[in-house]
Amino acid sequence: KAGVTQTPRYLIKTRGQQVTLSCSPISGHRSVSWYQQTPGQGLQFLFEYFSETQRNKGNFPGRFSGRQFSNSRSEMNVSTLELGDSALYLCASVAGEYNEQFFGPGTRLTVL
Amino acid sequence: SQQGEEDPQALSIQEGENATMNCSYKTSINNLQWYRQNSGRGLVHLILIRSNEREKHSGRLRVTLDTSKKSSSLLITASRAADTASYFCAKDKGAQKLVFGQGTRLTINP
Repeated sequence: KAGVTQTPRYLIKTRGQQVTLSCSPISGHRSVSWYQQTPGQGLQFLFEYFSETQRNKGNFPGRFSGRQFSNSRSEMNVSTLELGDSALYLCASVAGEYNEQFFGPGTRLTVL
Repeated sequence: SQQGEEDPQALSIQEGENATMNCSYKTSINNLQWYRQNSGRGLVHLILIRSNEREKHSGRLRVTLDTSKKSSSLLITASRAADTASYFCAKDKGAQKLVFGQGTRLTINP
């Protein structure tokens, strides 16, 4: 089975712009979770989608949003970028009843 | 903020030695998952241990869970240079959300 894919791998944006990141889960997995990783805050949960519905959301401002499509692919969007949004954004494909999560390689976002 | 602490924050050992990392948490969990991350790349899933399990093995990895002490440990035996990475424990407390610790940075010296 192919693993989790994330595109793009690297992004450079300027303050005030918006960005869209994409994640394709492992085939057959219907749940996708997103996390932000920064040196200061570590790994933090953003949100989780299942069957095109957001089931859970972390403690992030409304500038962070996401969606999931019928093929389970997911996107997250960050609007009005701030310097502090510079981070590694990780997507996880969630499997089974034990919430086992398999991560993609991440998208490295740099905001200048 | 992140719940649970990982200990030590950094660990440096010689190749061939065993490495032990610990993870504690404060409230009950459904399961605990260990991950490895190489230098700012994606997380690699190592082991999931359920709350009703006490020990699991995978190759050179051994994970234990003590729910009475709210702690878990990851043991890597016969370490190799390729084991150099950051290791994270992630607590699953439901709602499809994992809560990560700060991680242990492991360095294996040749």
